[in-house]
Amino acid sequence: NAGVTQTPKFQVLKTGQSMTLQCAQDMNHEYMSWYRQDPGMGLRLIHYSVGAGITDQGEVPNGYNVSRSTTEDFPLRLLSAAPSQTSVYFCASSVTGGFGTEAFFGQGTRLTVV
Amino acid sequence: AQKVTQAQTEISVVEKEDVTLDCVYETRDTTYYLFWYKQPPSGELVFLIRRNSFDEQNEISGRYSWNFQKSTSSFNFTITASQVVDSAVYFCALSEALPMEYGNKLVFGAGTILRVKS
Repeated sequence: NAGVTQTPKFQVLKTGQSMTLQCAQDMNHEYMSWYRQDPGMGLRLIHYSVGAGITDQGEVPNGYNVSRSTTEDFPLRLLSAAPSQTSVYFCASSVTGGFGTEAFFGQGTRLTVV
Repeated sequence: AQKVTQAQTEISVVEKEDVTLDCVYETRDTTYYLFWYKQPPSGELVFLIRRNSFDEQNEISGRYSWNFQKSTSSFNFTITASQVVDSAVYFCALSEALPMEYGNKLVFGAGTILRVKS
């Protein structure tokens, strides 16, 4: 059972480049989200989706776009990478958007912007 | 606004020592969930426990135990007889009761790095 799969695992970008971090889950979960992890700050919510076709902003959405065309996939797009976006990115899913539902996390993508 | 504080940035212990990781939270809700996650050196996030605000019973799972005290807004995590494999970053997180359309948002603490030396 694959669970939540993120690709790539590592990426180096130059300032100004764009890229898409991929996230796919095979558990038929309605709710998906993206977090970034920075030292001393824990994980912070970037964007989330409560179902296909529905997305919304989290705590730190600037510089990122998302879409949810299928239940399985929730890509995160960096429009014009900046050094401040150097971070570890985690995708998570849960059965529903109901609070308290256990979240399943991907393995993370370590992004460096130079 | 909700907030989770893990005041211990890093803890080092010697194998077999007991260690407690502190978590203090702030919320105006009476209904919420608290979580602990483990992040080993490999980087993934491993779910450890979920506790709802109406259940203040302490929980024990093997060498792990959790002490939930609403009176002090704390949800502390104790590892008994620590082992080298317990070395990891541990995160405490809070999920407040929100309408479904706002999703299952987790607010994380900054994390505590636990180093267990042999």
